Amino acid sequence: GNSVTQMEGPVTLSEEAFLTINCTYTATGYPSLFWYVQYPGEGLQLLLKATKADDKGSNKGFEATYRKETTSFHLEKGSVQVSDSAVYFCALRQGAQKLVFGQGTRLTINP
Amino acid sequence: NAGVTQTPKFQVLKTGQSMTLQCAQDMNHNSMYWYRQDPGMGLRLIYYSASEGTTDKGEVPNGYNVSRLNKREFSLRLESAAPSQTSVYFCASSEVFTGQGRTGELFFGEGSRLTVL
Repeated sequence: GNSVTQMEGPVTLSEEAFLTINCTYTATGYPSLFWYVQYPGEGLQLLLKATKADDKGSNKGFEATYRKETTSFHLEKGSVQVSDSAVYFCALRQGAQKLVFGQGTRLTINP
Repeated sequence: NAGVTQTPKFQVLKTGQSMTLQCAQDMNHNSMYWYRQDPGMGLRLIYYSASEGTTDKGEVPNGYNVSRLNKREFSLRLESAAPSQTSVYFCASSEVFTGQGRTGELFFGEGSRLTVL
């Protein structure tokens, strides 16, 4: 079946550091890929998405590129802020099937 | 812009009590979902409803029942609460996947924190 594997957290960085959160997936065909973010005390919200190979999703300074050859969708940001502290979830959806989530990565940014 | 609204936000129950979590969405979405989130466990799907009038089990349905009351509302019921059901519960809804720019992304409520003593 389809699955998503994220790098284990927690991840702690200093403000203005470069961020990478790794995400790899297992699926047949070409699923749609998503990153969701959960700020403290809130529900998940969509951060960015990509629907086909080599697509780059971007939002709020975050980027992720759909890499079919490596089955990856790593999340990156060039300069993180304290306000980026949250839990990040990678997810995939294969056609009309249900969304499959990774385990989540907790990110803490220190000033 | 209400989106997905869940009630209550917090609830404390004693073992054996029953309760219903309510969820409503105003985005005219066909599909609705109930997840639970436990520390270190990510999100686990309890039940979902692909469309009005249908419900299906997810990964962890035991101890729960659901009702898709209409297109807007999807409730989750705990008939006899157990301490293992202490968790944060999230309702979500999604548009239909069409493969033509509509990828069926989920929209989440703010969560309901349930403690069972």
